[in-house]
Amino acid sequence: EPEVTQTPSHQVTQMGQEVILRCVPISNHLYFYWYRQILGQKVEFLVSFYNNEISEKSEIFDDQFSVERPDGSNFTLKIRSTKLEDSAMYFCASSTVFETQYFGPGTRLLVL
Amino acid sequence: SQQGEEDPQALSIQEGENATMNCSYKTSINNLQWYRQNSGRGLVHLILIRSNEREKHSGRLRVTLDTSKKSSSLLITASRAADTASYFCATLTQGGSEKLVFGKGTKLTVNP
Repeated sequence: EPEVTQTPSHQVTQMGQEVILRCVPISNHLYFYWYRQILGQKVEFLVSFYNNEISEKSEIFDDQFSVERPDGSNFTLKIRSTKLEDSAMYFCASSTVFETQYFGPGTRLLVL
Repeated sequence: SQQGEEDPQALSIQEGENATMNCSYKTSINNLQWYRQNSGRGLVHLILIRSNEREKHSGRLRVTLDTSKKSSSLLITASRAADTASYFCATLTQGGSEKLVFGKGTKLTVNP
């Protein structure tokens, strides 16, 4: 069964450093998403991406964040200058239109 | 206001018993999705119910949706120790938004 994959599974970085989280969505899906879950809290929407552009973003997704689909398979989330409060589990998801969103296993980011 | 609030927050049952979790939401929805998350792991999609559906089954899972009350329930029958996890409802708001809005989840413990 097709699945969303994410790398790395864990990332430790120093405050102020840039990180890139990578995702390979399900191949025939058209919508791609990033969500995050701070430890013990709700899963929060960050951004959705369709047709090579951001279609929706939350207040959390400020100028420090960016997304890119550099080729036909990868979908990346970049955090330019990490803060302590960026420590969270980051999930990538993909879907067809308004249907089930399939989530990857997540990248646990720890900012020191 | 919070969308997708589950209750109870925690539920502990014996293997073989049924587990019922409830979810309430506040806006008009396109669909409602239930996910499972094992501790510190990824989100596994369980079932999707559309706004024009009232009940749906998948294996030992039964989901109901009452749009007049803006609520949904997830029933797991004949529970197993392996069902121990957190369960989240997530709503896709009507009107073109692609973001899922998650609740805080119900932590289910099934004791052997």
